[in-house]
Amino acid sequence: GNSVTQMEGPVTLSEEAFLTINCTYTATGYPSLFWYVQYPGEGLQLLLKATKADDKGSNKGFEATYRKETTSFHLEKGSVQVSDSAVYFCALSRSNDYKLSFGAGTTVTVRA
Amino acid sequence: GAGVSQSPRYKVAKRGQDVALRCDPISGHVSLFWYQQALGQGPEFLTYFQNEAQLDKSGLPSDRFFAERPEGSVSTLKIQRTQQEDSAVYLCASSRRDRGSTDTQYFGPGTRLTVL
Repeated sequence: GNSVTQMEGPVTLSEEAFLTINCTYTATGYPSLFWYVQYPGEGLQLLLKATKADDKGSNKGFEATYRKETTSFHLEKGSVQVSDSAVYFCALSRSNDYKLSFGAGTTVTVRA
Repeated sequence: GAGVSQSPRYKVAKRGQDVALRCDPISGHVSLFWYQQALGQGPEFLTYFQNEAQLDKSGLPSDRFFAERPEGSVSTLKIQRTQQEDSAVYLCASSRRDRGSTDTQYFGPGTRLTVL
């Protein structure tokens, strides 16, 4: 079946530090890959996505590249801010499906 | 425009009670999803509607769980004879088109159910 494994947290960083959250997946076919973010007190929202191999999704300074050879979709940001403190979820959906399969989430805290 | 809304935001039930959770999707969205999120975990798929048709209910954990979307807009997730293991956040999401893996799912704030 489909599954997503992401780096366990919590992760604590200082402002302007570099952030990486690892995500690997198992799926048949060619899934689409997503990063969702949940800010404190808010609902899940899409951060970025990539629909085919070698695509790079980007938004709000975050980037992730769809690597089929390593079945990975790692999230990166070069300089984090306090406002990036949130829970980040990696997810996938298969090309002929619509359900999202989520990882367990990684809690990120950025300190001033 | 308005996003996905859910009510109630919090629900406390005694074991054995029935509960009903409501989802108002974004107007005009064809697809509607329910997910269950246990504490410290990612959301798990429960069921999917395309308009009023429930096309996939493979994620419903037992026959105590029932969902409907009779007019293709508002949806209700009902849990009968609640058990403690039903305690979780129930998330609703909608998307504009029918099945399409790249279509963005917009999530509501969730209903936190606590079964005592």
